[in-house]
Amino acid sequence: EAEVAQSPRYKITEKSQAVAFWCDPISGHATLYWYRQILGQGPELLVQFQDESVVDDSQLPKDRFSAERLKGVDSTLKIQPAELGDSAMYLCASSLGVGQNTDTQYFGPGTRLTVL
Amino acid sequence: DQQVKQNSPSLSVQEGRISILNCDYTNSMFDYFLWYKKYPAEGPTFLISISSIKDKNEDGRFTVFLNKSAKHLSLHIVPSQPGDSAVYFCAAGLSGAGSYQLTFGKGTKLSVIP
Repeated sequence: EAEVAQSPRYKITEKSQAVAFWCDPISGHATLYWYRQILGQGPELLVQFQDESVVDDSQLPKDRFSAERLKGVDSTLKIQPAELGDSAMYLCASSLGVGQNTDTQYFGPGTRLTVL
Repeated sequence: DQQVKQNSPSLSVQEGRISILNCDYTNSMFDYFLWYKKYPAEGPTFLISISSIKDKNEDGRFTVFLNKSAKHLSLHIVPSQPGDSAVYFCAAGLSGAGSYQLTFGKGTKLSVIP
């Protein structure tokens, strides 16, 4: 069964350091999403890609966060510098994308980030 | 302003009985709704979905009901099993740019007691 892959699963870093997360979506999925989930809350969208293009990054704190999907397949989310408030689960999801009437998003296992 | 609300943070149900998880939304433009199940330290797993043109969708033990006039949906699990114990998230989709953007509720933790 096809799955969304993410790495690392866990990351501990110190404040002001740089961190990067990687996501490989389900093969053939054109749309890729990065979410952040704080404990006790639901996932919140950070950025959405359609192929290699950003569709929506309105909730991405662009002073410290960046995301790319250069070849329209896998994606990297970077935080520089990390702050204490960035501690959360970072989730990647993918969906078939354009032309689909019911576009279910499938999630990866997430990366648990702890900033000390 | 929370557009998707799950007002019950937790729910306990006896094994074999029905579990009913509720979700309310405020944006009448939402046209696609999903339920996800999440175990600790894992990503959400898709359970079942429903389009706004329907009022019921069933998949095995899981049934989702949609009441558009009340802006309310519910997930029924019958019969409940201990393996169903997890956090359940309701999500509402807004179509656009060929794909859906989802807004999630805060989740309801279901505990099924053997």
